[in-house]
Amino acid sequence: KQEVTQIPAALSVPEGENLVLNCSFTDSAIYNLQWFRQDPGKGLTSLLLIQSSQREQTSGRLNASLDKSSGRSTLYIAASQPGDSATYLCAVDQGAQKLVFGQGTRLTINP
Amino acid sequence: SAVISQKPSRDICQRGTSLTIQCQVDSQVTMMFWYRQQPGQSLTLIATANQGSEATYESGFVIDKFPISRPNLTFSTLTVSNMSPEDSSIYLCSVEDPFSGKSYGYTFGSGTRLTVV
Repeated sequence: KQEVTQIPAALSVPEGENLVLNCSFTDSAIYNLQWFRQDPGKGLTSLLLIQSSQREQTSGRLNASLDKSSGRSTLYIAASQPGDSATYLCAVDQGAQKLVFGQGTRLTINP
Repeated sequence: SAVISQKPSRDICQRGTSLTIQCQVDSQVTMMFWYRQQPGQSLTLIATANQGSEATYESGFVIDKFPISRPNLTFSTLTVSNMSPEDSSIYLCSVEDPFSGKSYGYTFGSGTRLTVV
């Protein structure tokens, strides 16, 4: 059974810092991995999707990497801003339209 | 990517009543997915809804409690029946965005925040 773990559970950093969020998964037979952002009480906003054959994806200040063999993905946020404060979720797609989510990292950027 | 309109955004309901949540997608999709996010928890898949057939429920979820309708390729509803405080959660619908024969990831609705009192 696939298990997805995100570390740390919560992170608080001053504005302007670069930071890394971690996601690990137990079964490397994945179709793709997706990072989402969730604001309190709201739905999910897709940030980046990495196909299983890819190593990384970039969008603006965000960069996500995938090491399928070791079961790890990282989300790198450059030059953090208070507006980046949210919960970040990673989810692996094992095919058959089944997403398995991590518990999320609650990020706070302090002005 | 697909755009999903989910209603209501939030509601406060009395125990024993039912609430129906609607999701409208701006394009035709084969499958729609319903998730539950309990307070402080991550997302759990409730069921997968195909147009023209009964929904497929995940372990721990039953049709009597969470009936789903899928009348066409752009619309679905999830009903939370005979609610109790334990049903207080965020409910989300989702669709897959296919692109060039590959998965383009999943898009989610804005969520329905349900509080049962």
